[in-house]
Amino acid sequence: NAGVTQTPKFQVLKTGQSMTLQCAQDMNHEYMSWYRQDPGMGLRLIHYSVGAGITDQGEVPNGYNVSRSTTEDFPLRLLSAAPSQTSVYFCASSSGTGVLTDTQYFGPGTRLTVL
Amino acid sequence: GENVEQHPSTLSVQEGDSAVIKCTYSDSASNYFPWYKQELGKGPQLIIDIRSNVGEKKDQRIAVTLNKTAKHFSLHITETQPEDSAVYFCAASILARDMRFGAGTRLTVKP
Repeated sequence: NAGVTQTPKFQVLKTGQSMTLQCAQDMNHEYMSWYRQDPGMGLRLIHYSVGAGITDQGEVPNGYNVSRSTTEDFPLRLLSAAPSQTSVYFCASSSGTGVLTDTQYFGPGTRLTVL
Repeated sequence: GENVEQHPSTLSVQEGDSAVIKCTYSDSASNYFPWYKQELGKGPQLIIDIRSNVGEKKDQRIAVTLNKTAKHFSLHITETQPEDSAVYFCAASILARDMRFGAGTRLTVKP
C-alpha cells in the first residue's frame, strides 16, 4: 500500500490564481481530511469527508472547496489564491467513522507559496 | 468548539533523561487523544493514542496519561535518544469529524 499520497510537493502561485491539491489513499478509508500547518499554530482542519459524496467544514474552511466523488480521492481547491493561504497542507485518512475516532494517517504534505 | 493548549513549546533534554509534554482541552465531550511526531519535511505520524475510557497507556518508552476531570493529558518519553528529537503534537476530538491540535512542542535531545 502506498498509504496517503499528495501532489504536488511544492507549488508557487500568484495572487488570484486557482489550483487543486490532490490527495489519494489506497486503504479504503471512509474518513478523509485536509489540514493546514502554519508556524506556531499546529494543524488546523480545513474540510473533512466521512464518505463519498459527503463533506463538511472544519475550523478554517474559507477560501477552500472540496468534493469527494470516490472513496480514494479528496482534492482541495483554491479558487482564488491569497497570500494568507501560504502554508503547508496535509491530507489525512482514517477508517473510523463511528463513535470513537480511529487512527489518522497523514500524507507527506504540499508546501504552497502564494505571491 | 474544542480548544487544545500544549506546553512547553520547546523542550531540551540530555540523552537518557525523561521528557514530559502536557496538553489541556476544553470540551468535556472529547473522547480521543492522539499524539503525533513530526520530523522535518514529513507529515505527522501517530506514536500513541488514548481513549476516554482509559487513564494510562504505555508503549515501550512512551506513555500517555489522561485526567478527564481536569481535562488534561500528558506524553511521557523515558530514556530519550537523539532520534526522539522532533516536533510533537497532541490532539483531541469527539468523533472522526473534527480533530483539534495543540501548537506543538519542539523536543531536542542532546547527546
